[in-house]
Amino acid sequence: GQNIDQPTEMTATEGAIVQINCTYQTSGFNGLFWYQQHAGEAPTFLSYNVLDGLEEKGRFSSFLSRSKGYSYLLLKELQMKDSASYLCAVSDSNYQLIWGAGTKLIIKP
Amino acid sequence: DTEVTQTPKHLVMGMTNKKSLKCEQHMGHRAMYWYKQKAKKPPELMFVYSYEKLSINESVPSRFSPECPNSSLLNLHLHALQPEDSALYLCASSQEEGVGANVLTFGAGSRLTVL
Repeated sequence: GQNIDQPTEMTATEGAIVQINCTYQTSGFNGLFWYQQHAGEAPTFLSYNVLDGLEEKGRFSSFLSRSKGYSYLLLKELQMKDSASYLCAVSDSNYQLIWGAGTKLIIKP
Repeated sequence: DTEVTQTPKHLVMGMTNKKSLKCEQHMGHRAMYWYKQKAKKPPELMFVYSYEKLSINESVPSRFSPECPNSSLLNLHLHALQPEDSALYLCASSQEEGVGANVLTFGAGSRLTVL
């Protein structure tokens, strides 16, 4: 079967760092993708990893270990506007996205 | 233009009504998608159009009927819906192949309420 797991909810403090983990088991792998979704809005693409290692984009970084079926999204210097749901999605052997349920991130002042 | 535009933003319809959701993109993308999203759930793929041809139908009930008039437009025709069809309907577009096919640009969504 296909399965993607990520925590349901996380809380962090403004200015701090938070790491959102994602583990997956899928039929085939063509990349792991992170999307951000603010409440009541559409998802927006953040980053993707195809090869093992760390991809950095400003305050956001994403890491992938294919052998462990594991990824994380690292958010630094948290801002209140980072309060959102973060969706992990894996591209399977047919290049179809399999979505995780999302992690709701709450930022406190 | 880097947007996907959806209309209407909100729609309330009765179970006997016929309505349509519309989506437009001018990003040159040749793949377009309809997703359905319920509250606190991930997006659920409904249909995929590739080069204006329906390539994926995820066993969606026939009361939802997609249409792709040209490479920039995507419609979703709604007829005889049920209250459980109330959800946010998201249109998205992407490149046709490779990793780019999974970098989706979503529209703002049409929030549908079926009474």
